[in-house]
Amino acid sequence: DAKTTQPNSMESNEEEPVHLPCNHSTISGTDYIHWYRQLPSQGPEYVIHGLTSNVNNRMASLAIAEDRKSSTLILHRATLRDAAVYYCILRDYNAGNMLTFGGGTRLMVKP
Amino acid sequence: DVKVTQSSRYLVKRTGEKVFLECVQDMDHENMFWYRQDPGLGLRLIYFSYDVKMKEKGDIPEGYSVSREKKERFSLILESASTNQTSMYLCASRQGGGSTEAFFGQGTRLTVV
Repeated sequence: DAKTTQPNSMESNEEEPVHLPCNHSTISGTDYIHWYRQLPSQGPEYVIHGLTSNVNNRMASLAIAEDRKSSTLILHRATLRDAAVYYCILRDYNAGNMLTFGGGTRLMVKP
Repeated sequence: DVKVTQSSRYLVKRTGEKVFLECVQDMDHENMFWYRQDPGLGLRLIYFSYDVKMKEKGDIPEGYSVSREKKERFSLILESASTNQTSMYLCASRQGGGSTEAFFGQGTRLTVV
């Protein structure tokens, strides 16, 4: 799987938008971009994924750069419950079934 | 609701014991995974299985083995537990294909004393 790079940690204020960046300069044309998050004392949970176009769901939005070498997970209004580690992962559509996690970004939300 | 269930939330075992961690999924998924998670090291893949009786090594398979006799169940086996295997163990499952999401269990915190 191609590698992703994320900041180790970020801080946000409650009720404000949060933009979590991910660099994936070696992404291939068949790689999907997935985001997961892990709340304290829980297993990771799926957030969102995309291929080329921006995506929205009830949890977040995913903005994908035109060259696909970076993406940004957007939480529109951070709450205290959004404090978690957020992982950006690439999944090749064609090859293999492994799911490999990097270090992720620890998001801290201040009241 | 889709579910991945790990048999124990907390386990304490002695050094040298054989330890079985069980994981069951109810989604008929082809792929199942075992990870361990340690502070500062993130989630590391131990083994995964893409079909019944099929398995592949992940990044850190040493000291572990796995068993998948039925599609819904994936077991992680510590043949002779050691203190450096004290960790949080997470099981996951997903359907095949690059666009499908993975579902995780709540984790088993194993302490080897």
